[in-house]
Amino acid sequence: KQEVTQIPAALSVPEGENLVLNCSFTDSAIYNLQWFRQDPGKGLTSLLLIQSSQREQTSGRLNASLDKSSGRSTLYIAASQPGDSATYLCAVRRWTGANNLFFGTGTRLTVIP
Amino acid sequence: EAGVAQSPRYKIIEKRQSVAFWCNPISGHATLYWYQQILGQGPKLLIQFQNNGVVDDSQLPKDRFSAERLKGVDSTLKIQPAKLEDSAVYLCASSSVLGLSYEQYFGPGTRLTVT
Repeated sequence: KQEVTQIPAALSVPEGENLVLNCSFTDSAIYNLQWFRQDPGKGLTSLLLIQSSQREQTSGRLNASLDKSSGRSTLYIAASQPGDSATYLCAVRRWTGANNLFFGTGTRLTVIP
Repeated sequence: EAGVAQSPRYKIIEKRQSVAFWCNPISGHATLYWYQQILGQGPKLLIQFQNNGVVDDSQLPKDRFSAERLKGVDSTLKIQPAKLEDSAVYLCASSSVLGLSYEQYFGPGTRLTVT
């Protein structure tokens, strides 16, 4: 059974700092991995999707990497802003069967002005 | 392009009562998902539809939860009777069968409180 873990559970950083969020998964036979952002009381917004054949994806100040063999992904946020404060979730999609996602428990990020 | 719509946004009921949630996916998306997100946890898949057929309902508590997608478009999720542990946010998502990423788009969710 696929298990997804995110460390740390919560993180506070001063504005402008670069930061890294971690995601690990137990079954390396994944189809792709997706990073989401969730604001309080709202749904999930997709940030980046990395196919299993890719090593990283970039969007603006965000960079996500994937090391499938070791079961790890990182989300790098450059020059953090207070508007980045949210919960960040990673999810993996398996190869076989239904293409549903297995989610981690998330990292709650607070960027202090 | 309109996103995934869900209603109601909030619902408070007493235990043993019934409740229903509605979801309208992005136009043209054949796959629809219902997730349950308990406070402090990541979303957990309850059921996945491909058009109006069920692909995966292995984690749906079938003694009290039911879902349908009769015309292959919008969907309803029902809980009858509700328990305290059903308090959670219920998220609906949809994805297209075109392309190879199966990227899912989520609605705003329905927050259910069972008292």
